[in-house]
Amino acid sequence: KAGVTQTPRYLIKTRGQQVTLSCSPISGHRSVSWYQQTPGQGLQFLFEYFSETQRNKGNFPGRFSGRQFSNSRSEMNVSTLELGDSALYLCASTPTGGVGEKLFFGSGTQLSVL
Amino acid sequence: GESVGLHLPTLSVQEGDNSIINCAYSNSASDYFIWYKQESGKGPQFIIDIRSNMDKRQGQRVTVLLNKTVKHLSLQIAATQPGDSAVYFCAENWAGGGNKLTFGTGTQLKVEL
Repeated sequence: KAGVTQTPRYLIKTRGQQVTLSCSPISGHRSVSWYQQTPGQGLQFLFEYFSETQRNKGNFPGRFSGRQFSNSRSEMNVSTLELGDSALYLCASTPTGGVGEKLFFGSGTQLSVL
Repeated sequence: GESVGLHLPTLSVQEGDNSIINCAYSNSASDYFIWYKQESGKGPQFIIDIRSNMDKRQGQRVTVLLNKTVKHLSLQIAATQPGDSAVYFCAENWAGGGNKLTFGTGTQLKVEL
């Protein structure tokens, strides 16, 4: 069974631009979560989607948004990029998103904002 | 200003020794705990989990201990191998928080030959 797939692997953007990251969960998994990882803040929860609905949200500004499609694939978007948005963005999936389900992570998208 | 990264605690062990990685969690209502391993350039990889109604759980070469009284979690790795070198994160979750993990800052494990 294929794991969580994230594309692209690396991205370089400039301040003010916007970016869209993509995540394909493990087949059969319907919950997709996004995390931001930085050296300064560690791993922080962004949001979770289940059945095309955002079910949980972390403490990030509205510039960070996401969506989920009917096939459970998910995208996240960051608008008006800031230098501090440089990070590794990780996607994780679980079958239903219930507490106690193991999150399986992708390898992430490394975003650099110049 | 200059960005200051988290100072990751580092644990150095000799190959073949046992490793113990500690974690203090924050939410007394947390009822599910997980350990992840992250190698350079990769996403976190699940190692072992434990629910709050248990105080010990064993896997292959790994054991997780949970002390709810002091909100402490530990990961024990037996016969540590060079391939165990990575950053280890504990994470917590609670039923009222949905599927949202709160991660610790991580510990860098270095295995010396």
